[in-house]
Formats: sequence, C-alpha cells, structure tokens
Amino acid sequence: DVKVTQSSRYLVKRTGEKVFLECVQDMDHENMFWYRQDPGLGLRLIYFSYDVKMKEKGDIPEGYSVSREKKERFSLILESASTNQTSMYLCASSFWDGGTLHFGNGTRLTVT
Amino acid sequence: DQQVKQNSPSLSVQEGRISILNCDYTNSMFDYFLWYKKYPAEGPTFLISISSIKDKNEDGRFTVFLNKSAKHLSLHIVPSQPGDSAVYFCAAIIQGAQKLVFGQGTRLTINP
Repeated sequence: DVKVTQSSRYLVKRTGEKVFLECVQDMDHENMFWYRQDPGLGLRLIYFSYDVKMKEKGDIPEGYSVSREKKERFSLILESASTNQTSMYLCASSFWDGGTLHFGNGTRLTVT
Repeated sequence: DQQVKQNSPSLSVQEGRISILNCDYTNSMFDYFLWYKKYPAEGPTFLISISSIKDKNEDGRFTVFLNKSAKHLSLHIVPSQPGDSAVYFCAAIIQGAQKLVFGQGTRLTINP
C-alpha cells in the first residue's frame, strides 16, 4: 500500500515565521504535489515536482517555495507566514504519467 | 478560471436511496476523470475513474457517467450508506500531463 506521510498533523505558527512542511512517500513515485484545501475552494495546487531538484508552479505559488533534494521527500516552505496561509495542506504523489494521486493525511496549519 | 466545477456545496440523502453528485468541466482536452472521497482529518482517497473513451464505469455501489458533449460527469451511489458521508471531489486530467485539476467538492451527508 502506498504511504504518504506528512510530518505534522497540526501546526500553530506566528505571522512572519518561516514554516517547513515535510512530506515523504514510499512508492518511488516520480511526481509529488502540494495542495491546500479551503472551504468552497476545493483543492488548489501550490507546487509540484516531477523529479529530484525539479519544481513547477501550480495555481497559487505566491508566498511559498518547495524543495526536493531526494526522490521520496518534498518540502513546502512558507518564507514568511501570514494569516491568509491558515489552511489544510495536503501532500500527494503519483507515477510520472499522472492519474491517480495518493494523498497524505494533511497538516492543518494555523497562523496567528 | 475554474476548469472543473461542482456547483452543489452540499447534498443530503436518506440512507438506502441514490446519491447523485455532479461535476462540470470546461476544458475539452481533459480525457480522464476521477472522483476522490475525503473524510475529516484524512487525505482524499481515490474512488473511481473514467476515461473519455467510455461513458460509464461501475464499481460496486459506485457508478460514474460521462457526457462529453455536455462536458458533464456524475457519480451515482446506490444504495447510500452512512459511511458514504464525506466530501467528494471531482478531478480531471489530460493523460500524460502530471497534474490533476480539482473541483470545489460536495459534502454528502447520508441520513439514517
């Protein structure tokens, strides 16, 4: 069974802090994704990566960056957290040709 | 620009009856469609998919219908069970591309 593990279930950070969200997958998937889920807006893609050290902007990359130094690990970085980044963050992975995504359980981030 | 739309934020159905969740899309290049189910505090899980070369795909109690001319798909759940209460996301992709495009989600509540 594919496992996508997000390091934290809940995080509370202050405005202006640098925040790291970590994600690890164990299925040798080429693609990894970061989404945020907000009520009424569904799942919106922040960034994705199709290979080590490769990254592509999604639909809402502003205020975020990512890092993929190893195939199994994809990190989302909030350079200077703001209250409008309070959200549920979901990491996902898939094989190179897209299609079925496997999601982690999410990190609920609150920025105060 | 919302390429995948779920216009009903919520749906309430009696246990044992049919649940019908709807999804519309605007990009005629999409050729593969998926439904994901999400429980609170968990990541979305894949439910069922359909290729654009088909108009119906069935898996147990779940059936997805695709109407390409109307750019519309629907998910039927028969009979509905309390465990089906969740948020359902419709998603679409151009096969070979890496990223799914999600709708806003519909919260389904099954009443006993």
